Amino acid sequence: DQQVKQNSPSLSVQEGRISILNCDYTNSMFDYFLWYKKYPAEGPTFLISISSIKDKNEDGRFTVFLNKSAKHLSLHIVPSQPGDSAVYFCAASQSNTGANSKLTFGKGITLSVRP
Amino acid sequence: EAQVTQNPRYLITVTGKKLTVTCSQNMNHEYMSWYRQDPGLGLRQIYYSMNVEVTDKGDVPEGYKVSRKEKRNFPLILESPSPNQTSLYFCASSPGGSYNSPLHFGNGTRLTVT
Repeated sequence: DQQVKQNSPSLSVQEGRISILNCDYTNSMFDYFLWYKKYPAEGPTFLISISSIKDKNEDGRFTVFLNKSAKHLSLHIVPSQPGDSAVYFCAASQSNTGANSKLTFGKGITLSVRP
Repeated sequence: EAQVTQNPRYLITVTGKKLTVTCSQNMNHEYMSWYRQDPGLGLRQIYYSMNVEVTDKGDVPEGYKVSRKEKRNFPLILESPSPNQTSLYFCASSPGGSYNSPLHFGNGTRLTVT
């Protein structure tokens, strides 16, 4: 049973436009959410995170939005660049377990940014 | 350079032949973990360790063993590998204890069991 769902396996956008990557979760105990980016032949790298006490967190071109009532979060990349082409994993955890001890990942979304 | 190092990067073996994938981190992190990545399944946690001599099962621990005898190393052991353990494996570490200390991943080990 997937507790973190990334239902779209891939997304293609034009350079300069906005990329919106979606993620849904089913476990209402999750209260901390992260996005990781992965290039081929490399390990995932941390991108941005958000706590459930917030509904938005911004870091440069990357913004994560959290809608707790809908159990939904999204990653916005504006403007998208060809170097953003990668697999993006959504992950969730419960802070009261020592968050990293049980980090649940989604299946990932492959983003392609066309020049 | 702060990093998580896994070895080997690629490994082809046969069913039943014991193997060990090593993982070492130079950041003095308390927390370490192993994940496997499979098509359509994303990243799934195999085992994790909160500190030396403290390990626990993740979501898919069957067929794997780990040990944490020293802080920097967290080897993954497959006593009797089977073809369903063919996968891409990642080791990760973090300072631990705080949920705003994201994981640092190694570059992965691609294992093929024939």
